Amino acid sequence: AIRMTQSPSSLSASTGEKVTITCRASQGISSYLAWYQQKPGKAPELLIYDALILKSGVPSRFSGSGSGTDFTLTIRSLQSEDFATYYCQQYHSYPLTFGGGTKVEVK
Amino acid sequence: QVQVVESGGGVVQPGGSLRLSCATSGFRLDSNGMHWVRQAPGKGLEWVAFIKYDGNIKDYVDSVKGRFTISRDNSKNTLYLQMSSLRAEDTAVYYCAKDGDSSEDYMGVWGKGTTVIVSS
Repeated sequence: AIRMTQSPSSLSASTGEKVTITCRASQGISSYLAWYQQKPGKAPELLIYDALILKSGVPSRFSGSGSGTDFTLTIRSLQSEDFATYYCQQYHSYPLTFGGGTKVEVK
Repeated sequence: QVQVVESGGGVVQPGGSLRLSCATSGFRLDSNGMHWVRQAPGKGLEWVAFIKYDGNIKDYVDSVKGRFTISRDNSKNTLYLQMSSLRAEDTAVYYCAKDGDSSEDYMGVWGKGTTVIVSS
């Protein structure tokens, strides 16, 4: 199975700051990567697919980049509603696997 | 409006069985891949099972193979997860998810989840 490693596992940031989350795959996955946001007590929601395509309705302050083994989720200017846990997921091959998550907390 | 709604969770003893349902609306179930994903208390997300749009391919995470079965009833617009030989480590919130726009292999729309607790 492809192992997905996210870093950091948690971070503290202030509103307006730029935030970067990294996801590394244990082998090349081309651009078959999705990012999800999960708020406490809620279901995950898709943010980005194919490594860089924003789902319709997702604010443009979110962006994704990368291919192969190294990927990044960037939040350009953190807003209060962005404090959540973020997961990456590879869909290059089965079993589908998620990263361990990155919790973005208020500084 | 695309929507998926899970039901069927509950408390079950180790070794017991449970069937989860996922009612879908706003799209054709037989034109989309569907997934079950679970989240143990305080833990991350774990993909559990997938059924291809045509029903010809099903796949499972190793830890549930031989114990869980994914299926669907297109006439009822409902996805199922039959779970048997349940273990304590199967305790989790189980989410049903519809595939994405560009691929069947990621989760474009999620339900709110249903909770399964395996305990004596």
